[in-house]
Amino acid sequence: QTVVTQEPSFSVSPGGTVTLTCGLSSGSVTSSYYPTWYQQTPGQAPRTLIFSTNTRSSGVPDRFSGSILGNKAALTITGAQADDESDYYCALYMGSGIWVFGGGTKLTVL
Amino acid sequence: EVQLVDSGGGLVQPGGSLKLSCAASGFTFSGSAFHWVRQASGKGLEWIGRIRNKANNYATAYAASVQGRFTISRDDSRNMAYLQMSSLKTEDTAVYYCTRHSGYYDSTGSFHYNYYMDVWGKGTTVTVSS
Repeated sequence: QTVVTQEPSFSVSPGGTVTLTCGLSSGSVTSSYYPTWYQQTPGQAPRTLIFSTNTRSSGVPDRFSGSILGNKAALTITGAQADDESDYYCALYMGSGIWVFGGGTKLTVL
Repeated sequence: EVQLVDSGGGLVQPGGSLKLSCAASGFTFSGSAFHWVRQASGKGLEWIGRIRNKANNYATAYAASVQGRFTISRDDSRNMAYLQMSSLKTEDTAVYYCTRHSGYYDSTGSFHYNYYMDVWGKGTTVTVSS
């Protein structure tokens, strides 16, 4: 069974840059997995940030960007702000209608 | 306003059944595909399954963890999607979210899917406990 891996936690200073990654327990993440990134704050539904590797969803600030770095998908936040403190989830399309979420990364801005 | 409203959650005993509903508004329901995603308390998101539109024969797909126990359906005349859950286990306790699969109509009126979930309901809580 394929597992999607993410760092459990990360911290960044206000104004700093952080890159969160999304990998596979076996194999490399490519754009063919249509990596998607979601942001979730406590008690709220997730919000779509990035889809199809690097396309920002409507209304998402340009400090959020997506890419493929090596064998993983990546979400980079440039100039982190206090309200970026959230849980971040990636999702990968496995084909045949199947999606798998990563375990999520808890980002702290301090 | 594009909106999904999940409902139907509650307390159910292990082995029992429950049907969740997702009411859609603000967009053309019939063309869209829908997913269900759940989140246990303090845990991450788990994709459960999805249903496509009539043009794609209402095709469904499910995660292995719910295959054979959960069924997704829809009623285009009511703009509703459903998640029928049976043989419930304590580990099915979670907040359940209905989400829309992003898509668009082209100039010819044909509907095309993107590859992500773009609209989320606020979730409905299911507790499986004796």
